[in-house]
Amino acid sequence: GAVVSQHPSWVICKSGTSVKIECRSLDFQATTMFWYRQFPKQSLMLMATSNEGSKATYEQGVEKDKFLINHASLTLSTLTVTSAHPEDSSFYICSAGRGQGYNEQFFGPGTRLTVL
Amino acid sequence: QKEVEQDPGPLSVPEGAIVSLNCTYSNSAFQYFMWYRQYSRKGPELLMYTYSSGNKEDGRFTAQVDKSSKYISLFIRDSQPSDSATYLCASLRNQGGKLIFGQGTELSVKP
Repeated sequence: GAVVSQHPSWVICKSGTSVKIECRSLDFQATTMFWYRQFPKQSLMLMATSNEGSKATYEQGVEKDKFLINHASLTLSTLTVTSAHPEDSSFYICSAGRGQGYNEQFFGPGTRLTVL
Repeated sequence: QKEVEQDPGPLSVPEGAIVSLNCTYSNSAFQYFMWYRQYSRKGPELLMYTYSSGNKEDGRFTAQVDKSSKYISLFIRDSQPSDSATYLCASLRNQGGKLIFGQGTELSVKP
């Protein structure tokens, strides 16, 4: 149990276009979903936290107008990178939190974004 | 100073060796401690978690937390080539809080 999927697994786009990444919890309802970014050989950096039906909470330095997060249901969250630029190229990973107690997070397989 | 520090390695060991991976943290408010394994171009997979100080064992893996010295360890016994991956430690201040990750240690187990 506790499977999280992401789609697409990789995407290449032209500079200036927008890209949407989906994150789904397949076999549980996620109270909270998280979006991370990871550059090569670096750790995961939290971008934002989202709860179903409410606005996402962004980490300091993350542009909320550039990285739009929608948490439409307890099993789906989307990240849209608007007007993407080459410096946005990275590995984007979502995770879904389960339960009210210990906040166990299950990670998706990640999405590799390359902006040309 | 980073809240969670981890030696990035790389660490290379022969098959069958005991592997010791370590992290230190600076925030005494951290209560939950996790170890994740991440294969190349994949998302992290939760291996172990512990609450407060103590040891936890699961098969070949043992997680250890020493809150007095703010030290987190993961031991892998009888290491296998399939254990080759990046291992990330992470800490959590409280329920509902955000995970703070270490940089990750790249481990290579040679046949």
